[in-house]
Amino acid sequence: QQQVKQSPQSLIVQKGGISIINCAYENTAFDYFPWYQQFPGKGPALLIAIRPDVSEKKEGRFTISFNKSAKQFSLHIMDSQPGDSATYFCAASGNPPTAGNNRLAFGKGNQVVVIP
Amino acid sequence: DADVTQTPRNRITKTGKRIMLECSQTKGHDRMYWYRQDPGLGLRLIYYSFDVKDINKGEISDGYSVSRQAQAKFSLSLESAIPNQTALYFCATSDPSGAGGRSNEQFFGPGTRLTVL
Repeated sequence: QQQVKQSPQSLIVQKGGISIINCAYENTAFDYFPWYQQFPGKGPALLIAIRPDVSEKKEGRFTISFNKSAKQFSLHIMDSQPGDSATYFCAASGNPPTAGNNRLAFGKGNQVVVIP
Repeated sequence: DADVTQTPRNRITKTGKRIMLECSQTKGHDRMYWYRQDPGLGLRLIYYSFDVKDINKGEISDGYSVSRQAQAKFSLSLESAIPNQTALYFCATSDPSGAGGRSNEQFFGPGTRLTVL
């Protein structure tokens, strides 16, 4: 069963706009929530991550918003640029990263296209 | 990430053939993973290994086997390839003692595109 669900499946955004991707999870034991970014022909790479002790984390133009009661978290890309066009995966895992807890459950991925 | 390498990068094979995909890493990480990526299905875990003597099945291990030859090497085998194993395969590594709160970060290789005819 899908432990982490992403929406929308794809997104087209104008340059300078805001891209928002949502993710929902089921397992309340999850307490590490990363977003991975993947460019065509490359492996995914960690973009930004959050733990549930905070409701928001910002790194440059990228922000994660976390809602523990709703079991949802989202990625916001401010001032979207064509170079942000990629596939974005949300994921979740348990913490601390002991055996069995370091396994990441990935969502299905969202393709974001930023048009000039 | 150049620290995690996968060979081959592309492979076309026929149904019933045995195939081995290889992964090497210079990051010094104990933990290694194999995933497959399919359009619309995201990344699914096939096998993972937390050290040389540890091998664990992931969510879709049927039809696959792995070998952890050394800390730096983790190979994925398809004993008898079938067309629905056509996919993009990724190897990843992680270090649970990673600094700066990035202890759960996984580092992915560039992928192997496998086509089974």
